[in-house]
Amino acid sequence: GNSVTQMEGPVTLSEEAFLTINCTYTATGYPSLFWYVQYPGEGLQLLLKATKADDKGSNKGFEATYRKETTSFHLEKGSVQVSDSAVYFCALHTNAGKSTFGDGTTLTVKP
Amino acid sequence: GAGVSQSPRYKVAKRGQDVALRCDPISGHVSLFWYQQALGQGPEFLTYFQNEAQLDKSGLPSDRFFAERPEGSVSTLKIQRTQQEDSAVYLCASSTGGAGSDTQYFGPGTRLTVL
Repeated sequence: GNSVTQMEGPVTLSEEAFLTINCTYTATGYPSLFWYVQYPGEGLQLLLKATKADDKGSNKGFEATYRKETTSFHLEKGSVQVSDSAVYFCALHTNAGKSTFGDGTTLTVKP
Repeated sequence: GAGVSQSPRYKVAKRGQDVALRCDPISGHVSLFWYQQALGQGPEFLTYFQNEAQLDKSGLPSDRFFAERPEGSVSTLKIQRTQQEDSAVYLCASSTGGAGSDTQYFGPGTRLTVL
């Protein structure tokens, strides 16, 4: 079956540091790849997505590129802020409806 | 506009009781998903509806779990004879269509605790 493996946390960074959260996947067919974020006390919400190979998703300064050759979708941000503190989930969605999520990475950004 | 809503937000059940969890998706959304999220883990797929049709229920952990969406809108996840291992947050999500590229919009979840 499909699977998503993401970097274990927690991750603690100082404000303005560079962020990478690794995500790799195994899947049959051609899934779409997503990063969802869960801020403290809130529900899961979309951060960014990419629907085919070599696509780059971006939002709020975060970026991730769908790399089919390395089956990866790593999340990056050049300069994190305290407000980016949250749990980040990598996920793949298929046209068959079934979605697979990683276990989440907790990011804490300190001023 | 209104997002996905779930009720109740918290539910405490004694082992062996039946529970029913409700999901109100975003109006007009065709697809509806149920997930189970254990503490410290990502959401685990339970089942998927497209309109009123349940197209995939492969993630339901046992025959004690049952989901329905009779009119293609509101959905109910029912758990019979609850066990302690059923304790988790149950998430509902909806999306506009049935494509994998569609963003899923999540509700706040129902936290179920089985004593």
